[in-house]
Amino acid sequence: RKEVEQDPGPFNVPEGATVAFNCTYSNSASQSFFWYRQDCRKEPKLLMSVYSSGNEDGRFTAQLNRASQYISLLIRDSKLSDSATYLCVVNGGGFKTIFGAGTRLFVKA
Amino acid sequence: DAGVIQSPRHEVTEMGQEVTLRCKPISGHDYLFWYRQTMMRGLELLIYFNNNVPIDDSGMPEDRFSAKMPNASFSTLKIQPSEPRDSAVYFCASSHSGTVSSGDTGELFFGEGSRLTVL
Repeated sequence: RKEVEQDPGPFNVPEGATVAFNCTYSNSASQSFFWYRQDCRKEPKLLMSVYSSGNEDGRFTAQLNRASQYISLLIRDSKLSDSATYLCVVNGGGFKTIFGAGTRLFVKA
Repeated sequence: DAGVIQSPRHEVTEMGQEVTLRCKPISGHDYLFWYRQTMMRGLELLIYFNNNVPIDDSGMPEDRFSAKMPNASFSTLKIQPSEPRDSAVYFCASSHSGTVSSGDTGELFFGEGSRLTVL
């Protein structure tokens, strides 16, 4: 079983739609959690950290469920510029940072 | 401020040749990571260092791969001999192990990657 699993998609949605991505992780001792974004042929960049209480950054909301070892990302009012691959990232302690395979999102006009 | 710098950006080589990829982390960062990205496997963690010391190399695929960090501002990933299945984008990333209270999020800052093609 992979340490971090994501639905690879692709998700094809119209502009203005709400889309949700899910991610599960296998190491119950994992300490910190993130979502990164990667544009085509570019390096990954941090989108947001994920906290147990849930956190929001504009149109983006991240949730963590430690009991179920599950992380989610919700994007509201999708924009064309949101088209990218979204990577679920888990720090398993000792700074060992593991990336999921990513979920591809295409937002259409 | 300069970000993580990797070289070369692109390399095309023949099977059996030695390949050396280079990375300069962000000044002041104490963690350095090497990842490999392919369509089939996504981003795989190969090895990471803390204060120039390798902490976990369990992701290094086999003995043909080696990584060094002789000082805080330089690291290399070497493949010898290279094989076609090594073709991938190799990313270097650095991070600072500060605390949340200091504003550090544990964010990894990536270089632009080295795209390797082994023929």
